[in-house]
Amino acid sequence: KAGVTQTPRYLIKTRGQQVTLSCSPISGHRSVSWYQQTPGQGLQFLFEYFSETQRNKGNFPGRFSGRQFSNSRSEMNVSTLELGDSALYLCASSFVARGSTNEKLFFGSGTQLSVL
Amino acid sequence: AQSVAQPEDQVNVAEGNPLTVKCTYSVSGNPYLFWYVQYPNRGLQFLLKYITGDNLVKGSYGFEAEFNKSQTSFHLKKPSALVSDSALYFCAVRDLTGGGNKLTFGTGTQLKVEL
Repeated sequence: KAGVTQTPRYLIKTRGQQVTLSCSPISGHRSVSWYQQTPGQGLQFLFEYFSETQRNKGNFPGRFSGRQFSNSRSEMNVSTLELGDSALYLCASSFVARGSTNEKLFFGSGTQLSVL
Repeated sequence: AQSVAQPEDQVNVAEGNPLTVKCTYSVSGNPYLFWYVQYPNRGLQFLLKYITGDNLVKGSYGFEAEFNKSQTSFHLKKPSALVSDSALYFCAVRDLTGGGNKLTFGTGTQLKVEL
């Protein structure tokens, strides 16, 4: 099976612009989560989608948004970029069986976003 | 709120020696604990998890972790370290607030294994 695929791998933007990142989960995985990784803050949860519905959200401003499509692919969008948004954005998918919890996450290699 | 702490930013060990990467947790209710590893320029890879049952959990690449409820710890261990084990290790706990499959991660421990 192909792993979690994130595109693009690298992105350079300027302040005030917006950006869209893409994530294709492992086939059969319906849960997709997004995390922001920075040297100072570590890994911070952004949001999780399951069957096209957001079912959990982290403590990020409304500039950060996401969505999931019927094929489970997900996108996240950051509007009005700030310098502090420079980070590695990681997408993770998991297989959620009925009645199951605590499924392990499979991570993509991430999108490195630099805001100048 | 659920949280985990990794008290060491970096751990250095000689190849062939045993290694321990420390993690303590704070949860309300039963803890669901994980270890992940991150190699340079890569995403995280799952190593092992503790949900219930035996306190010693065996995982990938020869790693194991010991769950200790009285000390609220979940330390990662390996009997004999390899240079290729050098990477960034994260402890995580399932965050039960809001539902879903959200994990709260520790700050990470850089493991350096030297010849």
